[in-house]
Amino acid sequence: GAVVSQHPSRVICKSGTSVKIECRSLDFQATTMFWYRQFPKQSLMLMATSNEGSKATYEQGVEKDKFLINHASLTLSTLTVTSAHPEDSSFYICSLVVSSGGKEQYFGPGTRLTVT
Amino acid sequence: ELKVEQNPLFLSMQEGKNYTIYCNYSTTSDRLYWYRQDPGKSLESLFVLLSNGAVKQEGRLMASLDTKARLSTLHITAAVHDLSATYFCAVQNSGGSNYKLTFGKGTLLTVNP
Repeated sequence: GAVVSQHPSRVICKSGTSVKIECRSLDFQATTMFWYRQFPKQSLMLMATSNEGSKATYEQGVEKDKFLINHASLTLSTLTVTSAHPEDSSFYICSLVVSSGGKEQYFGPGTRLTVT
Repeated sequence: ELKVEQNPLFLSMQEGKNYTIYCNYSTTSDRLYWYRQDPGKSLESLFVLLSNGAVKQEGRLMASLDTKARLSTLHITAAVHDLSATYFCAVQNSGGSNYKLTFGKGTLLTVNP
């Protein structure tokens, strides 16, 4: 399967600042990437679907102006949390579908965001 | 709207015992996945079930799929402490290029000595 990395693995930022999270496919090209958010003791919630070269598709209730997604290449997608607030503190996980493969999603290791 | 229900949400069991986690989903689906998540970690893929009657086994875990009943089970045999984790099922929508997953709420499994 595909190897997915996320950077940073942990980040602490102050309220009102912005933070960028990177998701990379290390060995395969990915036309589609997904961003999930997971609060403690809850399931994964899909935030948006990111396709290379086009605008991301956001799930209902997710503010696209707050969570900026850029899928600039077939191996990189970024999620920027703008004007972060403490309620944005969460575990953010990306996944991808390999272009040449089937439908299975491969998950990154996650990024723990804490907003103080 | 596709809905996925897992039960139980919490499962505490003794080492050596058997138990089953259930995953029901509401509409036709291409495939069903089972994942394991350890505290503070991301998801680890356990099984991909593609067709009716599919059964897969890995160690003490066995997963099955009944597409007619829209039900998947994850059976744990002779549980050991190392199996303690949260287990999620996820269903992938049918058709086209839509690869979205819908997750169940997860089952927190605790295996006690």
